Amino acid sequence: DADVTQTPRNRITKTGKRIMLECSQTKGHDRMYWYRQDPGLGLRLIYYSFDVKDINKGEISDGYSVSRQAQAKFSLSLESAIPNQTALYFCATSGSGGLETQYFGPGTRLLVL
Amino acid sequence: SQELEQSPQSLIVQEGKNLTINCTSSKTLYGLYWYKQKYGEGLIFLMMLQKGGEEKSHEKITAKLDEKKQQSSLHITASQPSHAGIYLCGALRGGTSYGKLTFGQGTILTVHP
Repeated sequence: DADVTQTPRNRITKTGKRIMLECSQTKGHDRMYWYRQDPGLGLRLIYYSFDVKDINKGEISDGYSVSRQAQAKFSLSLESAIPNQTALYFCATSGSGGLETQYFGPGTRLLVL
Repeated sequence: SQELEQSPQSLIVQEGKNLTINCTSSKTLYGLYWYKQKYGEGLIFLMMLQKGGEEKSHEKITAKLDEKKQQSSLHITASQPSHAGIYLCGALRGGTSYGKLTFGQGTILTVHP
């Protein structure tokens, strides 16, 4: 079984709708991250959490919110989806050391019409 | 301009050829990560470099870090169609950015059989 899972894998929604993307991990990591990927722009950090009580904004947090329900679960919400939030979304996890590797989920492809 | 620039942005090679992808940082590196992504899928960790002059290999892929130039190169020897995908470098910074990765825009590699 995959260590980092994301649901749903694909989602089509309409402008103005609220949607939630979920991430679960079985690696026992404290740190979790949400990124979005757009063509030609690499990955950009939306939010990150270094433990259950710690939530921080990344470089592009506007229009998004997150919830860290447990060590293993980190969800990303789009309160009112807009077309320019159409992207590939990735969740990642890492340990708490200085040079920990981030491990990525398979991604959620989101299309906002 | 981006903090982390990759070159080239895309590369098409014939199977069996060698190739190099570069990743240059405009800020001091604390660690440099290389990932591979198959189109529309998650990121697979390849290797991490920390010290200047460090060189690591994973099968036919070798990465080096030039600390003086703040640059890393990824070299593939005798490329195969299985090497095709998007290669992304990620920089780990110190200070207030500790624990977060900044990614380059990616290099799309196509290998023709």
